[in-house]
Amino acid sequence: EAQLEESGGGLVQPGGSLRLSCAASGFTFSSYAMHWVRQAPGKGLEYVSSISGNGGSTYYANSVKGRFTISRDNSKNTLYLQMGSLRGEDTAVYYCARPITFGGITAHMDVWGKGTTVTVSS
Amino acid sequence: QSVLTQPPSVSAAPGQKVTISCSGSSSNIGNNYVSWYQQLPGTAPRLLIYDNSKRPSGIPDRFSGSKSGTSATLGITGLQTGDEADYYCGTWDSSLSTFVFGTGTRVTVL
Repeated sequence: EAQLEESGGGLVQPGGSLRLSCAASGFTFSSYAMHWVRQAPGKGLEYVSSISGNGGSTYYANSVKGRFTISRDNSKNTLYLQMGSLRGEDTAVYYCARPITFGGITAHMDVWGKGTTVTVSS
Repeated sequence: QSVLTQPPSVSAAPGQKVTISCSGSSSNIGNNYVSWYQQLPGTAPRLLIYDNSKRPSGIPDRFSGSKSGTSATLGITGLQTGDEADYYCGTWDSSLSTFVFGTGTRVTVL
């Protein structure tokens, strides 16, 4: 069974940094692109960032571009999100998700982690 | 501001049917597959419907999906208290070159 488990969330001051991890198991990690999706308190889902299976291609939402960096270590079956220059509006639950893609287009996300909470506050 | 619009809430009595609409445009729903996600309170989203109308294994046939033009619909029949959740549609947006989620709909069982 494919599973994802996030870690690394916590309380951080505005302007600070945090690195999230997502450990994958039960599937061939390197064969899949991976996504980060976040959900601010009481709000909807927001697609944040994605990375191709070999790590050679990345995407960032405008809201995090230049501040967040997505990466992966296929030898460790782990996805990362390095978050910097954090702002209050980055406060959210961060989920990693496995997409099913066709020609580089995400059709849907079929496996989700339970999420890790990031709180940006002084 | 999401490019996919859903009603904020729908409600019905146990055993009844509800439908949730997801309105988009030709750059997203009109030319790409739609998926639906269920988010029970305090939990992560779960894939409910993919490729407009297909159900992953384990999803009961009380849940159904359809698409017509630039809109999609999720239907839930035989409503149960355990169906109380937030539901999101999602699809690729070819103009934005990103996956987009709908605004979300809360289902309440009266």
